[in-house]
Amino acid sequence: DGGITQSPKYLFRKEGQNVTLSCEQNLNHDAMYWYRQDPGQGLRLIYYSQIVNDFQKGDIAEGYSVSREKKESFPLTVTSAQKNPTAFYLCASSPDIRDEQFFGPGTRLTVL
Amino acid sequence: AQTVTQSQPEMSVQEAETVTLSCTYDTSESDYYLFWYKQPPSRQMILVIRQEAYKQQNATENRFSVNFQKAAKSFSLKISDSQLGDAAMYFCAYTEVNYQLIWGAGTKLIIKP
Repeated sequence: DGGITQSPKYLFRKEGQNVTLSCEQNLNHDAMYWYRQDPGQGLRLIYYSQIVNDFQKGDIAEGYSVSREKKESFPLTVTSAQKNPTAFYLCASSPDIRDEQFFGPGTRLTVL
Repeated sequence: AQTVTQSQPEMSVQEAETVTLSCTYDTSESDYYLFWYKQPPSRQMILVIRQEAYKQQNATENRFSVNFQKAAKSFSLKISDSQLGDAAMYFCAYTEVNYQLIWGAGTKLIIKP
């Protein structure tokens, strides 16, 4: 089946540790995105990538990093510089950057 | 800056009735796309409906339809014959000039049996 997978579903991290969230898609989409969702709020864009080996900062990129070495994969690293990382993280992809986005099931990150 | 406003934090409707969720946006562009997404308790984000600004005809997907008023910058979602499975957060979103999606804060829809 085609789709987007995110792992793990739940992730716990100690303060001061970096952690990487996985996002994989087999839809052959060029564009991929990372969003953060906090309770009672809409989605905020962290990073996006229009094509392999290229990515752009979104509205809240500080404390996060990404890579796009393969078309199928767009991992997000939450670094220790991110002041308040506890949140729900959603990955999405689209055929190109102007198309509708398809979402993965999300990862809930909790900093202990 | 472009913004999307959903003025109803929460709405409730009786099963089988019709409900309308409101959304307004701010833009100086003439060509753009608007979306309604649904996020059920599973938190999986699902596209409900999409509208291209250059199309005057309102988009429709089965029980879901929009009322797109371009001059008023309004994009409301009408759900007919509401079902228990429609209970979710509904988000309105708009594509910005650099093609990033701008999201509203969401409306929680409650379906009363």
